[in-house]
Amino acid sequence: EAGVAQSPRYKIIEKRQSVAFWCNPISGHATLYWYQQILGQGPKLLIQFQNNGVVDDSQLPKDRFSAERLKGVDSTLKIQPAKLEDSAVYLCANSGLENTGELFFGEGSRLTVL
Amino acid sequence: AQSVTQLDSHVSVSEGTPVLLRCNYSSSYSPSLFWYVQHPNKGLQLLLKYTSAATLVKGINGFEAEFKKSETSFHLTKPSAHMSDAAEYFCVVRGTDSWGKLQFGAGTQVVVTP
Repeated sequence: EAGVAQSPRYKIIEKRQSVAFWCNPISGHATLYWYQQILGQGPKLLIQFQNNGVVDDSQLPKDRFSAERLKGVDSTLKIQPAKLEDSAVYLCANSGLENTGELFFGEGSRLTVL
Repeated sequence: AQSVTQLDSHVSVSEGTPVLLRCNYSSSYSPSLFWYVQHPNKGLQLLLKYTSAATLVKGINGFEAEFKKSETSFHLTKPSAHMSDAAEYFCVVRGTDSWGKLQFGAGTQVVVTP
């Protein structure tokens, strides 16, 4: 089966600009996650969707970050306006069909904010 | 709350020698623990997982990890390092909330020298 697809792979913007990342998950896998991975740190959960409903967005900076998952399939993560500290890799992941805790990750979208 | 601590940020080994990556966990309950690997510019991939079955868990690429409750540890080992093992490794604990949020460690960068 196809894996998790993310785009763009790389994005460079200036602070105060906006950016959007897109994730196409594995077909049929209900749970979708967005993680932020800052250089030298482990991934940090930003938001978790179950189908198209949000179940955890406690660590999402809601003043500038937003995410949606339309029809329980594709998802977009938006940052507006971006800050220097938003420079990171944004990872999208699916859970497996069995609730074992295993996640399937995309290759990530690397954001550089200048 | 669950958490993991990876005791080494960098590990350097010679090809053909053993690899040891140390991880301690903190959990109020019997945890589910995972090791993920991230090769450069690639998504994270599951190496192995512990879910309260056998305490010695075998994973892919010759890696294994041992769950030691008395030491609250889940160290990752491999008898003989290969050049392709150069990557970043993350120890992960699964939360006990209904959605089982994953908490990542800070990561251990492994360098393999010829």
